[in-house]
Amino acid sequence: EAQVTQNPRYLITVTGKKLTVTCSQNMNHEYMSWYRQDPGLGLRQIYYSMNVEVTDKGDVPEGYKVSRKEKRNFPLILESPSPNQTSLYFCASSLSRGYNEQFFGPGTRLTVL
Amino acid sequence: AQSVSQHNHHVILSEAASLELGCNYSYGGTVNLFWYVQYPGQHLQLLLKYFSGDPLVKGIKGFEAEFIKSKFSFNLRKPSVQWSDTAEYFCAVNAADKLIFGTGTRLQVFP
Repeated sequence: EAQVTQNPRYLITVTGKKLTVTCSQNMNHEYMSWYRQDPGLGLRQIYYSMNVEVTDKGDVPEGYKVSRKEKRNFPLILESPSPNQTSLYFCASSLSRGYNEQFFGPGTRLTVL
Repeated sequence: AQSVSQHNHHVILSEAASLELGCNYSYGGTVNLFWYVQYPGQHLQLLLKYFSGDPLVKGIKGFEAEFIKSKFSFNLRKPSVQWSDTAEYFCAVNAADKLIFGTGTRLQVFP
């Protein structure tokens, strides 16, 4: 089944404790992206990647890192999480660049205390 | 900068009522347009998309949208809503390698 998977689905952590949210897709998509969803703000793009080893900042990249060492994986790293990063995070992928339909993962609800 | 506006933040309807959700974008170049739906507790799913051709596009579950280039609009419509349409709806515009979302419209349909 074609899908985007994220882990963990729920995470409660404390300020400053490094964490990684994994994202994997099995559709051989070139383009992958991370979004955060906050009430009243919709979805905002954090980082995106057009292919392996090619990443770029989205609209709200501060406090986040990403890597794209393999085509299927696009982990989101929070080196030192802070309470303002409490949010619902979605990973998405599409066939190429940003012009195709994006397929979304199930989301990761992160709480930073 | 590119942006997407959804004017209706919260819409409440009775079953069988007609629905129209507004979406306007600002971008001077070629755009691809999308409507996504997010059912409670679930991830975003594509309702419909416009890339080119007929500006009236039909999507899943009886939804349709009309692209009006002169008005920079891509409004979502459904003639008769059902309780199962209760969800949050997001308009999105793909421009310059980025997918930009509106802030969403929460639709509640009561039986």
